[in-house]
Amino acid sequence: SAVISQKPSRDICQRGTSLTIQCQVDSQVTMMFWYRQQPGQSLTLIATANQGSEATYESGFVIDKFPISRPNLTFSTLTVSNMSPEDSSIYLCSVEEDGGGATDTQYFGPGTRLTVL
Amino acid sequence: AQRVTQPEKLLSVFKGAPVELKCNYSYSGSPELFWYVQYSRQRLQLLLRHISRESIKGFTADLNKGETSFHLKKPFAQEEDSAMYYCALNSNSGYALNFGKGTSLLVTP
Repeated sequence: SAVISQKPSRDICQRGTSLTIQCQVDSQVTMMFWYRQQPGQSLTLIATANQGSEATYESGFVIDKFPISRPNLTFSTLTVSNMSPEDSSIYLCSVEEDGGGATDTQYFGPGTRLTVL
Repeated sequence: AQRVTQPEKLLSVFKGAPVELKCNYSYSGSPELFWYVQYSRQRLQLLLRHISRESIKGFTADLNKGETSFHLKKPFAQEEDSAMYYCALNSNSGYALNFGKGTSLLVTP
């Protein structure tokens, strides 16, 4: 399976500032996703980030708040803009690996734990 | 609309006892179902895919389309099985996973 890394692993930020999270994959993948996991909650999809096209955002998430870049097939960034304490969450990127005719499977990065004061 | 339901937030069993983590789904098409596990301080990782019909770490899960369920089972729980378990549905390749709320499994000696 793909090896996925995220930077930073954690951060504590002041409200009103922005943080950019990086996701690096060791192989070329078409499909990348960004999820949020709020404390005690399940994972919620923020957006789908495919190389060569604009990110597709889920209901409740907007590009101004969560701009995403996908410059190539191994890298993506998610920015959390104008942060408030409600943005305190774990942010995860995931990639979909081609199952070669079988089920395609998603693998997850280690997550970025963000605390906003 | 897709929905994944894990009715138990917390499940506590004794070591050696059988364990079943419930997962029900609603989806009109043919779903692809997964179980993911998150051990303490580790990343979310894939445990099982329904299409593989495999047994991983002694766990199995069978897709029951009649009952729209994909329950995770293990005949003899071990302490190292203590973790958070998420059931997830994928309507199609290229789409994101729809996760249940998760079940925290605690296996006590």
